[in-house]
Amino acid sequence: EAEVAQSPRYKITEKSQAVAFWCDPISGHATLYWYRQILGQGPELLVQFQDESVVDDSQLPKDRFSAERLKGVDSTLKIQPAELGDSAMYLCASSSPASGTSGERDRETQYFGPGTRLLVL
Amino acid sequence: DAKTTQPNSMESNEEEPVHLPCNHSTISGTDYIHWYRQLPSQGPEYVIHGLTSNVNNRMASLAIAEDRKSSTLILHRATLRDAAVYYCILHYNFGNEKLTFGTGTRLTIIP
Repeated sequence: EAEVAQSPRYKITEKSQAVAFWCDPISGHATLYWYRQILGQGPELLVQFQDESVVDDSQLPKDRFSAERLKGVDSTLKIQPAELGDSAMYLCASSSPASGTSGERDRETQYFGPGTRLLVL
Repeated sequence: DAKTTQPNSMESNEEEPVHLPCNHSTISGTDYIHWYRQLPSQGPEYVIHGLTSNVNNRMASLAIAEDRKSSTLILHRATLRDAAVYYCILHYNFGNEKLTFGTGTRLTIIP
């Protein structure tokens, strides 16, 4: 079964350093999401792409976070500079197979990757 | 966004049925009820969703109250691998909108 790939799985960095996370969604999925999950809480959306365009980045701290999906396939989320409060799990998800090819079960279902656990020291 | 209310935690014995409740009194007519679960150290995974009628799939069943103000996720025979945080989410099922997670219910399975 196709899966969302993320790397690295774990990242330890010092505050003020730059970090980057990579996500490869399920092939053919036009919508890609980056969520952040703080320990003990549910995931919260940071940014959503439709193909290569950002459709929602209202919760993305734009002074230090950036995200891109240049060719509408894989995506990179960057933090520069990292702060202690950025320690969290960063999850990537994708959805929406090509129109006309999916049944009820797949429509709007979001498929999540394993996440990148970030620790900022 | 309409909100959901779930118990923080529940316990169940292995091989017994589990009923996970969710209240959503402010649900709108276009909201679907989705359930996702998150196993330890993994990303969330889809479990089931429904609109008005009860739904069954290979993982679970979803029972929806007639007034749609509450629902129950039913695991028919819990195994140790079902230990996870279960999230009940109201989601407009068109337009690829974000999922709004609460804190979910942490399910512990007792061997």
